[in-house]
Parts: sequence; structure tokens; C-alpha cells
Amino acid sequence: DGGITQSPKYLFRKEGQNVTLSCEQNLNHDAMYWYRQDPGQGLRLIYYSQIVNDFQKGDIAEGYSVSREKKESFPLTVTSAQKNPTAFYLCASSWGGYNEQFFGPGTRLTVL
Amino acid sequence: GNSVTQMEGPVTLSEEAFLTINCTYTATGYPSLFWYVQYPGEGLQLLLKATKADDKGSNKGFEATYRKETTSFHLEKGSVQVSDSAVYFCALNRDDKIIFGKGTRLHILP
Repeated sequence: DGGITQSPKYLFRKEGQNVTLSCEQNLNHDAMYWYRQDPGQGLRLIYYSQIVNDFQKGDIAEGYSVSREKKESFPLTVTSAQKNPTAFYLCASSWGGYNEQFFGPGTRLTVL
Repeated sequence: GNSVTQMEGPVTLSEEAFLTINCTYTATGYPSLFWYVQYPGEGLQLLLKATKADDKGSNKGFEATYRKETTSFHLEKGSVQVSDSAVYFCALNRDDKIIFGKGTRLHILP
């Protein structure tokens, strides 16, 4: 079955530690995206990538980093510089252009 | 700039009631328009879409019509069920990015 997987579903980290969230897709999509969702809020774009080895900052990139070494994978690292990292993180992919995005199930990160 | 405005929730209805969730947008050109649904603890799922003016998207009893003259894409369903309880997001696609509204939480009472 084609789809997007994110792992783990729940993640706990101590303050000051970097943590990497996984996102993999087998839909052969060119574009991939990372969003942050806070309780009762909409989605805010962190980073996006339209092609392998290239990515752009979204609206709230500070304290985050990404890589796009393979078409299928777009991991997100939440660094210790992110002041308030506890949130629900959603990964998405798309054929790009005016097409819809497909979302993974999300990772809930809690920093203690 | 490009933006999406949707009615604030929560919206609470009884089962079998008629549903309307309003959505208006601001955009240059002709964006594609979407409604996504999010169930508790899950990612977003595409509910329906429309790619040009006067298109009607429909799925699972939900409908929305792309109205360019009023820059609107209101979501409707004739008879809601308890299982429709979720958060609904209106969105538009411009420049390879999707711009989301803030979401409307819907509660359906049995």
C-alpha cells in the first residue's frame, strides 16, 4: 500500500537534546513538507522540499533542520535552539504544483 | 497575500442536522481549493477538492462549490452523523504550498 509513514507516534525528550523525526513516503511524490500543529491551532509550515537535495524554509524554520538525500525520505531535526518544541508534527507529500498534499499520521513530541 | 478564513468553532449539532462550515479565501489567480478533515490524534485526510471556478467537490455526503465571484468554498452536508465529529480545515494551493485555515471543530450529538 502506498502512503506516508512517520515514526515514532509518541516521542519524549529531555530539554536541551536534539531529536530527529522520521518521514518516509512511497507515493513517488517529488515534494515533501513538515508542519507543526499546536492545540487548537491550524498548521504552520516548518520546511518544504520540492526536489531531492533542495529544501526551503517555511514560516517557522528557526530551531529546526531538515535533509532530503532521498526522494522517499525527509527527516526533521528539532534542535535545542527551538524554544518551545512540544507539539504535534505532521509530514506531508505531494506531486507539487496545484495538487493536494497527503499527510502522515503525525508524531507527538513532548519535551520534559 | 494569500489567506483562508473559516468560521470559528466549535460547532455543535444534533445527529441528522444540516451542516454548513463557511470558508472564504484571498488569493491571486486561480488556486485549487480543498477541505481536509482531522480525527483526534491523526493526520489530515483530504475530504474533497475543486480546481476551478464552479467546480463542485464531493465525498462521503459532503459537498463544496468553488465560487469565484464570492471567493468562497463553503462545506455542506445534508445529514451529519456522530462519526463526522472532527476538525475541518479549508485550504488553498498556491506556489507549491498549501495555505490552511485555522480549522473548525465539529461536535455531533447523538
